Amino acid sequence: DAKTTQPNSMESNEEEPVHLPCNHSTISGTDYIHWYRQLPSQGPEYVIHGLTSNVNNRMASLAIAEDRKSSTLILHRATLRDAAVYYCILRDVQGGKLIFGQGTELSVKP
Amino acid sequence: DTAVSQTPKYLVTQMGNDKSIKCEQNLGHDTMYWYKQDSKKFLKIMFSYNNKELIINETVPNRFSPKSPDKAHLNLHINSLELGDSAVYFCASSPYRGLQETQYFGPGTRLLVL
Repeated sequence: DAKTTQPNSMESNEEEPVHLPCNHSTISGTDYIHWYRQLPSQGPEYVIHGLTSNVNNRMASLAIAEDRKSSTLILHRATLRDAAVYYCILRDVQGGKLIFGQGTELSVKP
Repeated sequence: DTAVSQTPKYLVTQMGNDKSIKCEQNLGHDTMYWYKQDSKKFLKIMFSYNNKELIINETVPNRFSPKSPDKAHLNLHINSLELGDSAVYFCASSPYRGLQETQYFGPGTRLLVL
């Protein structure tokens, strides 16, 4: 599975947008980009995933670069409840196991 | 309704003991997983079962033995516990073994070996 690189930590203010970057320069054409997050003392939860086009759901948006070597998870209005570790994961077309990196620890200030 | 549940939530035990962690999912999923999160917070897959069949078995000591009595349950038995086994163990499930299905995680079992 290809590797991803994320900043170790980021800070945001409540009710402001947050852009969480992820680099995946060795992504293959069949790799999907998945994002999960882990709230404190909880199991990871799915956020969003995409292949080539930008994606939106009720939790977030995913912006994928044209060359697919990077992507950005966008939280439109951060809340205190969004403080978590966010993981960017590449999965091949067969799916299967998730390979987690170190993730980005997002803190949200009131 | 809890989707993926694990018992116990906390487990404190002595080195050398044998212990089991249970996982149940009521989502009707076919595939279940065990992940381990160490003290540095890295999450790593250990095992995966699809319809009671073992499909992923990472490099895990054979003291760890998963057992799936039916597709809604995946238990993890650990023999001769060691200090390094202290970690949080997460169970997860997903609808299919392939494609890009979402995995749903349980709340975790915090194991401390003394």
